[in-house]
Amino acid sequence: DTGVSQDPRHKITKRGQNVTFRCDPISEHNRLYWYRQTLGQGPEFLTYFQNEAQLEKSRLLSDRFSAERPKGSFSTLEIQRTEQGDSAMYLCASSLAELAGYNEQFFGPGTRLTVL
Amino acid sequence: AQTVTQSQPEMSVQEAETVTLSCTYDTSESDYYLFWYKQPPSRQMILVIRQEAYKQQNATENRFSVNFQKAAKSFSLKISDSQLGDAAMYFCAYESGGTSYGKLTFGQGTILTVHP
Repeated sequence: DTGVSQDPRHKITKRGQNVTFRCDPISEHNRLYWYRQTLGQGPEFLTYFQNEAQLEKSRLLSDRFSAERPKGSFSTLEIQRTEQGDSAMYLCASSLAELAGYNEQFFGPGTRLTVL
Repeated sequence: AQTVTQSQPEMSVQEAETVTLSCTYDTSESDYYLFWYKQPPSRQMILVIRQEAYKQQNATENRFSVNFQKAAKSFSLKISDSQLGDAAMYFCAYESGGTSYGKLTFGQGTILTVHP
C-alpha cells in the first residue's frame, strides 16, 4: 500500500492562470476528500466524493473551482482564473467506508499552490 | 455548525517531559468523534488518537492520551515522555457521527517544539 499521493507537490502560477491538481487515493478506498489549508491554519473542508459521485461541496468552493473523480479512483481539482487568495496547501484524503460509524481518513502530502 | 478551538498557538516541552495540548469544541450533537492529528514539517498529516463521544473512557495510544470532558466540551491531548520526533503541528478535529460521511472540522493548530 503506497498511501495517498498527490501531484504536483508544488505549483507556482501567475494570477489568472488555470491549475489542476491530481490525487490518487489508497486503491480500495471509496471516499475521497479535498481540504484547503492556509499558512498557520487548520485544514478546511472543500468537497467529498463517494466513489465517482460528488456528494458535498463547501461554500468555500467558488464557481472557479471544480473537482472530479471520473472512475471512482483518482480525483482532480481544477482552479480557473487563479487569484492570490487561492495560495494554500491543497490536501487530499481517502477512506474506506464499509460500515456505519468511523472510517479513518488517510491524508496525502498535499499540493502547495503559490499564486503570484 | 460545529467549531473547534485551539487556544495555544505554540507549546514547548523538554525531551522526556509531559505536555498537554488544549482543545475545546462547540456542537449540539450527541454523536460525534474527536481526533488529534499530527502534521510534521513538510510531511503528511497522520492520526494520533481518536475518541468516540459515547465512550466515557479516555482513549490512550502508547505515550498519547486524552482527557475528554463531554459536558465541558473539552478534549486535551497529553504527550508523556516527549521525544524529538513529537515536534510537529497538532490539530484537534471533529467529525459528526450518525449519518456523517466523514467531513472533518479542524482547529487552528498548536505548534509543539521539543527541546533536547
